[in-house]
Amino acid sequence: DSGVTQTPKHLITATGQRVTLRCSPRSGDLSVYWYQQSLDQGLQFLIQYYNGEERAKGNILERFSAQQFPDLHSELNLSSLELGDSALYFCASSAPSYRVRYGYTFGSGTRLTVV
Amino acid sequence: AQSVTQLGSHVSVSEGALVLLRCNYSSSVPPYLFWYVQYPNQGLQLLLKYTTGATLVKGINGFEAEFKKSETSFHLTKPSAHMSDAAEYFCAVYGNKLVFGAGTILRVKS
Repeated sequence: DSGVTQTPKHLITATGQRVTLRCSPRSGDLSVYWYQQSLDQGLQFLIQYYNGEERAKGNILERFSAQQFPDLHSELNLSSLELGDSALYFCASSAPSYRVRYGYTFGSGTRLTVV
Repeated sequence: AQSVTQLGSHVSVSEGALVLLRCNYSSSVPPYLFWYVQYPNQGLQLLLKYTTGATLVKGINGFEAEFKKSETSFHLTKPSAHMSDAAEYFCAVYGNKLVFGAGTILRVKS
């Protein structure tokens, strides 16, 4: 158990639908990162939150959004889902340091299947 | 900006043989470098990291990597492969965000 909790582990939904993925970071970590892992794109950074505020954006589609709540858990919202959104979505967290010296701690991921 | 190139999307070795997974990086700032491992249907687990100091770093499960600034490389090695090492390995560089390479799938033959 890495200490980063992601729910649900699996999600199957239809095209056009909206889903919410949830992440609880490791105790004490203020930063949360979302990554998408697909066969054709590899591991792509989507977005980072630090203590409730958006800190960095990567290759995140406009149909996707995220937020981090006061208790530091984060949610990734995916809407108007397409078949190509099927992927593993990982959440990671890191300790509050100016530069991340210890790497990120990853959750076990949510496997999204869009049918 | 940072980037990582992992040479070889698939590597196959015999059990007991040397494992060498290659990683080259590009970074505009002194890099922090990481190797992660992903077993089937699992998340990414940190194997080892280089931040500052000794350029040869040791990680879990007998893996080690050497930071070579002149070659911009951070290759991962293990003297003797075990069946349980079969997994996908990712090299990553941190400048202002963590950027991953495309991954190398390691197959270990008995």
